[in-house]
Amino acid sequence: GQNIDQPTEMTATEGAIVQINCTYQTSGFNGLFWYQQHAGEAPTFLSYNVLDGLEEKGRFSSFLSRSKGYSYLLLKELQMKDSASYLCAVRRDDKIIFGKGTRLHILP
Amino acid sequence: DADVTQTPRNRITKTGKRIMLECSQTKGHDRMYWYRQDPGLGLQLIYYSFDVKDINKGEISDGYSVSRQAQAKFSLSLESAIPNQTALYFCATQGSANEKLFFGSGTQLSVL
Repeated sequence: GQNIDQPTEMTATEGAIVQINCTYQTSGFNGLFWYQQHAGEAPTFLSYNVLDGLEEKGRFSSFLSRSKGYSYLLLKELQMKDSASYLCAVRRDDKIIFGKGTRLHILP
Repeated sequence: DADVTQTPRNRITKTGKRIMLECSQTKGHDRMYWYRQDPGLGLQLIYYSFDVKDINKGEISDGYSVSRQAQAKFSLSLESAIPNQTALYFCATQGSANEKLFFGSGTQLSVL
């Protein structure tokens, strides 16, 4: 996905914290989305960052550094239902381009 | 009723056939997108449209065409389907550039 990089898979334990990183090419950058996707289902929106900094929304937080071309999604107090793929998507010029996603496995 | 509706939900077709996937929305959004997703991978942008008269190629437009018949409808066609076009196809809408995408439920297409 046009140089949007995320780890392919991660594993974490129920109740713990996990950070999913995303790096991207900064040319034409206008904003960054995070989506959650369960197998066979449509993606659902988690967050959108335009400016540098951390945005917190319940158990989920998203961070952006525009100058470094870097974002992360932080998931706290992990629950089994958080087992899913997490997709980083960049708004580049007018297009929205997705990375390949990170499959997160939660262990009891 | 769903805000973004894709039809059909599932389709099996043969190599060389022409096939159309349809997307309609009741959200009144101008921006519409078509993505494909291969197993275990992210979404790849095929085409997008910001207006009835506006059509733009995405990352992987070869072998596909689209039609924006009205604000509410955006159709994706495969002129001559081939097996590597087997994938899950998603339509999405967006109200403005800084708003989130709203996705349809997807169309699972299998080309034999």
